[in-house]
Amino acid sequence: AQSVSQHNHHVILSEAASLELGCNYSYGGTVNLFWYVQYPGQHLQLLLKYFSGDPLVKGIKGFEAEFIKSKFSFNLRKPSVQWSDTAEYFCAVHDYKLSFGAGTTVTVRA
Amino acid sequence: SQTIHQWPATLVQPVGSPLSLECTVEGTSNPNLYWYRQAAGRGLQLLFYSVGIGQISSEVPQNLSASRPQDRQFILSSKKLLLSDSGFYLCAWSVLPGGEQYFGPGTRLTVT
Repeated sequence: AQSVSQHNHHVILSEAASLELGCNYSYGGTVNLFWYVQYPGQHLQLLLKYFSGDPLVKGIKGFEAEFIKSKFSFNLRKPSVQWSDTAEYFCAVHDYKLSFGAGTTVTVRA
Repeated sequence: SQTIHQWPATLVQPVGSPLSLECTVEGTSNPNLYWYRQAAGRGLQLLFYSVGIGQISSEVPQNLSASRPQDRQFILSSKKLLLSDSGFYLCAWSVLPGGEQYFGPGTRLTVT
């Protein structure tokens, strides 16, 4: 099974700052890639996904992620965060099952 | 639209007692169903998945079992709980294996 590494455990930002969360997985082959988000008090929900095609994918709420196959990476970005982006973010990789990273808590200060 | 329900939301059980957590999905047929456990700082760990009634695959050998008695019902059970079974249990469903998964609200289990 894949091992999924998220580079940061906790990120603290001010509003309007840019956000980048790193995600690497352990080995190649055909994979589907996901970022999930859990806002305080809410269900885990899909932020964006990559199955094939353009390696730059756009998701909800202004988020995007770039798949770099040679680096086994799928990093999440947002150019300008808002207070409402405070949440926990999970990277996940599917080969024969869905494997999650440990999550990154993002705190945006107003 | 599809919805997923889990109950109970929270549960406190003594060591050695049985467990039954239920998950139901509405608004779709023949979903793929999943049970995960989420530990603080460790992400989600897949415990069981099911592609159809009576079809259960176990990912992690442990004190738990799963059953799917109906198309949209998925049950997580234990005959005797251990302290290590404490955690946050999430149920999820997908249309296709490998596709995006939709998660329920979770059950917080504390074994005392």
